[in-house]
Amino acid sequence: GEDVEQSLFLSVREGDSSVINCTYTDSSSTYLYWYKQEPGAGLQLLTYIFSNMDMKQDQRLTVLLNKKDKHLSLRIADTQTGDSAIYFCAEINSGTYKYIFGTGTRLKVLA
Amino acid sequence: DVKVTQSSRYLVKRTGEKVFLECVQDMDHENMFWYRQDPGLGLRLIYFSYDVKMKEKGDIPEGYSVSREKKERFSLILESASTNQTSMYLCASGSSYNEQFFGPGTRLTVL
Repeated sequence: GEDVEQSLFLSVREGDSSVINCTYTDSSSTYLYWYKQEPGAGLQLLTYIFSNMDMKQDQRLTVLLNKKDKHLSLRIADTQTGDSAIYFCAEINSGTYKYIFGTGTRLKVLA
Repeated sequence: DVKVTQSSRYLVKRTGEKVFLECVQDMDHENMFWYRQDPGLGLRLIYFSYDVKMKEKGDIPEGYSVSREKKERFSLILESASTNQTSMYLCASGSSYNEQFFGPGTRLTVL
């Protein structure tokens, strides 16, 4: 069945780069997404990548997509304490438009 | 500014009570979703709806039902609340492949 997997925790020092990884199973996914959830809030879209792209850069964020390995990563450059949150990757089922979310990675940024 | 609102941020109910969670969006989106979020499990889809009066089961529909009488409103109903339904409930709306917009969530505790 469809599954999206992430590691549960990541801890980095302020100013370092963070890399959050995700593996997915639905090879027909058209879009893959990264959402951020701050404490006590719903999810907000951070960035997304179309499945025919390998990389997308948006200011401090870099998304890498390896379709062969079904691996998606989010790199945050110069990580700040305000980046502390839970990050979810998600794929969308091309037939049903259903999103499939990963378990979420809790990023903790140490000052 | 796009908005998805949920009727309550926090709710405490007793086992066996009927519980209504309301969600309203102002973006004229066709699709609406109800998820529950539990630590280590990420977001799991309960029910979704593509249009008024339409509903589809998600991955964990047992113990829940939904109602979509108007395009902007999607209600989640717990017919007889149980302690294992204690969770954070997130509503979202969206259009086909576009991002999903999330409400702030309702933290439900069933005693």
